[in-house]
Amino acid sequence: DVKVTQSSRYLVKRTGEKVFLECVQDMDHENMFWYRQDPGLGLRLIYFSYDVKMKEKGDIPEGYSVSREKKERFSLILESASTNQTSMYLCASSYRTGPLNTEAFFGQGTRLTVV
Amino acid sequence: EDKVVQSPLSLVVHEGDTVTLNCSYEVTNFRSLLWYKQEKKAPTFLFMLTSSGIEKKSGRLSSILDKKELSSILNITATQTGDSAIYLCAEYYNFGNEKLTFGTGTRLTIIP
Repeated sequence: DVKVTQSSRYLVKRTGEKVFLECVQDMDHENMFWYRQDPGLGLRLIYFSYDVKMKEKGDIPEGYSVSREKKERFSLILESASTNQTSMYLCASSYRTGPLNTEAFFGQGTRLTVV
Repeated sequence: EDKVVQSPLSLVVHEGDTVTLNCSYEVTNFRSLLWYKQEKKAPTFLFMLTSSGIEKKSGRLSSILDKKELSSILNITATQTGDSAIYLCAEYYNFGNEKLTFGTGTRLTIIP
């Protein structure tokens, strides 16, 4: 079974703190994605990566950065957490689409509260 | 900006009813369209659609893609309370790298 694991289920951080959210997948997937989910807004793409050390901005990258030093691990960094970054964060991974199209697999989510 | 739009945003029906959820997309370099179900945790995969006009089916759920209309529908027949969830539509497209973009979701509530 594919496994996408996020390091924390719940996190409470203070305004201004640097926050690291970690995501690890065990299927050798090329693509990895970070989303945030807020009521009424669906899943919004923050950043994604298609290979080691490669990254692309998604639709809402402001206030975030990412790191992908190894293929299996994709980290989301909040450089200076703010209360408007309180949200559910979801990581996903997938193979590159092609002849063997596959779906994206999700981690269990991290509910981050910034106080 | 590429956009995935779902309708309705929310829907409340009685158990046993049939529902149709809509998803439209507006992009070139389309690769595939995906449907997910989300209850209280991570989204779980339902269907992937790549070819127009071919229905995918799993039990009471089915989905079809219309590439001409840039849209897809998800049908659920004989709904049950366990179908209550947020249903998410997403699109893979390729602009050199592959981006997976989601719609806002449809919140479906089934009343016993």
